[in-house]
Formats: sequence, structure tokens, C-alpha cells
Amino acid sequence: GENVEQHPSTLSVQEGDSAVIKCTYSDSASNYFPWYKQELGKRPQLIIDIRSNVGEKKDQRIAVTLNKTAKHFSLHITETQPEDSAVYFCAASKRGGSYIPTFGRGTSLIVHP
Amino acid sequence: GAVVSQHPSRVICKSGTSVKIECRSLDFQATTMFWYRQFPKKSLMLMATSNEGSKATYEQGVEKDKFLINHASLTLSTLTVTSAHPEDSSFYICSASGGGADTQYFGPGTRLTVL
Repeated sequence: GENVEQHPSTLSVQEGDSAVIKCTYSDSASNYFPWYKQELGKRPQLIIDIRSNVGEKKDQRIAVTLNKTAKHFSLHITETQPEDSAVYFCAASKRGGSYIPTFGRGTSLIVHP
Repeated sequence: GAVVSQHPSRVICKSGTSVKIECRSLDFQATTMFWYRQFPKKSLMLMATSNEGSKATYEQGVEKDKFLINHASLTLSTLTVTSAHPEDSSFYICSASGGGADTQYFGPGTRLTVL
């Protein structure tokens, strides 16, 4: 089955700095890669996703890159703000009846004011 | 955007009792719903996948007789924790996707505490 590794497990940055979270996956058939943000005690919220037919996608301060050859994808947050503090999960999935995702272990991002 | 609700948000029960958690898609038809369990500071652990009108597919290690899942309509799935024990205490989250789409939308979760 699919295996998703996520690093780092904890990331501490100063407000205004950039943050990068990296994930690798094992199944070359995976073709959909969402990123979720989860604040304490709340639901995971989809913040950005990328499909295997593109290499990069950007939405304001958030961007995701995908390298299919190396089987890794990354989340980039620029100009971080304290409200960006949360746990971020990456996931990889593929079409097979349903898109069943495999999640990474999560990265706790702390943005210090 | 797609909205998924979950009820109750919090439940406390005694050992041996059963608890039912409902997951509803409010503005789209959810052909597939997923049930997850999340421990503090841990990732989402997929318990089962259910497609409307068919039996749920359980992940390895998840007891189907203990965690009963029903997906009787395109907007509702239920998870029943039967004969609950303290070790079943956890945060249970559902998610839903529809129409063959790949994006999942999560419910707000249910905090279950078994005394």
C-alpha cells in the first residue's frame, strides 16, 4: 500500500519567515495530493491540493510543489503569521473506486510573533 | 464550499453502552464517506470507507462488529461504537466526497469519552 512520510514533525519560525513542509510517497500511481490544516480541537481544513498533471500550484501565501519522478511534494508558506500556527497534514491518494488517502503524520507549525 | 456536519460534538458514556455518531453532507451528495480516529497530537487513522448503499470496507485491525457503519443515504452515514470501553475514548472524524471527486471534506469531529 501507499506510505507517506512527512517532515519535520515540528517547525518553529518567526513571524514573517517562510515555512516549508515536505512529504514523500511510495506509490507511483498516486495522483492527488491535498494539504490540510488542523487547529487544536477542530476539523482538518483543505488549504491547497495538487494533481499529478501539474508541478506547482499557488494560492496567495501558500504554494505546493510536486516532483513525480522523486515522489515528493512540499508545502510552502511565505510571510508566516501567528494564525498560521496549526498542525498540517499532507496526503496522497489515487483513483480506485474511491480516492482513499494516506495521511502523513503531521507537522506542528508554530509561528512566533 | 462543501459542508459536512457531525453530531454529537461531544459525548460521555459509561462502559458497556453504545454510542451513535452521525455524519451528514449538507450541500452535496456524498457517495463516499470515511471514518477516522485521531489520538492527541497524532495523525488521522482511517477506520473504514463506506459507499452509499453498500457495506463499509474496514481497515486492517478495525473490528467491524464493534464499529458499526451505516451509509443508508447520499447525505448520511453513522458510526456506532458498540459496548464502549475506556480505550475507545478518542476523537472521531468523518469526511465525505461526492460524484467521483477526489477532494474530501471533513466534519467537525466527535470527542468520545468512555468512563
